[in-house]
Amino acid sequence: DTEVTQTPKHLVMGMTNKKSLKCEQHMGHRAMYWYKQKAKKPPELMFVYSYEKLSINESVPSRFSPECPNSSLLNLHLHALQPEDSALYLCASSQAGTGMPYEQYFGPGTRLTVT
Amino acid sequence: GQNIDQPTEMTATEGAIVQINCTYQTSGFNGLFWYQQHAGEAPTFLSYNVLDGLEEKGRFSSFLSRSKGYSYLLLKELQMKDSASYLCAVMDSNYQLIWGAGTKLIIKP
Repeated sequence: DTEVTQTPKHLVMGMTNKKSLKCEQHMGHRAMYWYKQKAKKPPELMFVYSYEKLSINESVPSRFSPECPNSSLLNLHLHALQPEDSALYLCASSQAGTGMPYEQYFGPGTRLTVT
Repeated sequence: GQNIDQPTEMTATEGAIVQINCTYQTSGFNGLFWYQQHAGEAPTFLSYNVLDGLEEKGRFSSFLSRSKGYSYLLLKELQMKDSASYLCAVMDSNYQLIWGAGTKLIIKP
């Protein structure tokens, strides 16, 4: 199984809503990532979890809250988002923790629209 | 600062060969990755180079020159399905991926 799955595929939410994005992998990877990608731009790193601990937070606003319940699951909790947060949110995983040059496997993404 | 440059857009003909260049200036180097991304989809891994030289994988090859801060992705026998964005990413001294803006490749019949 070389797949990273993400749900939902599409999400429309108002600025006062609370929602969560989910990511799952069963490759035994110990590093998991959240990226944000705007149209025609490269992915922007948001968070990295290594061995289920948050190792990198790229100065992301607190309205985004990550959670890693176990080594296979990664969540991104959303609250009080702004329209400019509309983007494709990508989850990725890699074979080892941070500090190793392994390729990242990406999920299909969640297309988020904030109204 | 850290910088990765690649052309914004390229056009090629089905069956032909195309070379997509990437130049980089980063704080440290732990390898260079190429990813393919179709519109609205996730990036998929194509290749990884950490030593100088050419890595061949089917129709795709990737080249690296560390002294020149330069890489290219070579696509042979182009097919319509190769129309996508190609992202160059360098892993810096902190093992963080620094991404280029991507090259949109358009294949014409």
